[in-house]
Amino acid sequence: SYVLTQPPSESVAPGETARITCGGDNVGTTSVHWYQQRPGQAPVVVVYGDSDRPSGIPERFSGSNSGNTATLTISRVEAGDDADYYCQVWDSSGDHAVFGGGTRLTVL
Amino acid sequence: EVQLVESGGGLVKPGGSLRLSCVASGFAFRSYRMNWVRQAPGKGLEWVSSISSGSTHMYYADSVKGRFTISRDNAKNSLYLQMNSPRGEDTAVYYCARERYCGITTCSRPTSWFDPWGQGTLVTVSS
Repeated sequence: SYVLTQPPSESVAPGETARITCGGDNVGTTSVHWYQQRPGQAPVVVVYGDSDRPSGIPERFSGSNSGNTATLTISRVEAGDDADYYCQVWDSSGDHAVFGGGTRLTVL
Repeated sequence: EVQLVESGGGLVKPGGSLRLSCVASGFAFRSYRMNWVRQAPGKGLEWVSSISSGSTHMYYADSVKGRFTISRDNAKNSLYLQMNSPRGEDTAVYYCARERYCGITTCSRPTSWFDPWGQGTLVTVSS
């Protein structure tokens, strides 16, 4: 089965830029979606289709995907960005979703 | 407002059964594929199952195949997950999620993602 690998944790100071990676074999050939999950809350999509933002998501959130790595970039990090972030793709059949293990982003 | 509300969680014994429900509002439920995703305590997200808009196709994670059954009632805007023979490792918060689709005319390549998610319902499997 397809595996997505994320670093367990990242930390960043307010105002700086956070980059969260999601590694997978040729992940650049498929679409990657990113979800934010604040403590005690349900996940919310922040980037879909590699780099598109849903309405209501700040422009500070952006994504890229190439080769074996997809990246979620959060610019000008704020305290409210302190959360878990998950990447997600569909397997080769298109019928089974796969999530990365998640990255805990700590805003210092 | 698009909303998903799960219910039916609780304590269930190993080998027992439990039925989760998810009621949708604010959108054309019958037009969307729907999913269940779970999260064990302190762990990451795990996709469980999906069902097509007309119930013609159902898919399951290997971890639940043969034990869980997904279904829907479009007349009632409701999604269900029948959990039979649950195990301790099935203990988790279960979320229902709508699957949004973007085709080739709008996205660089056809794809779908989960939006929105319900607030979740906790299932605890223990004797």
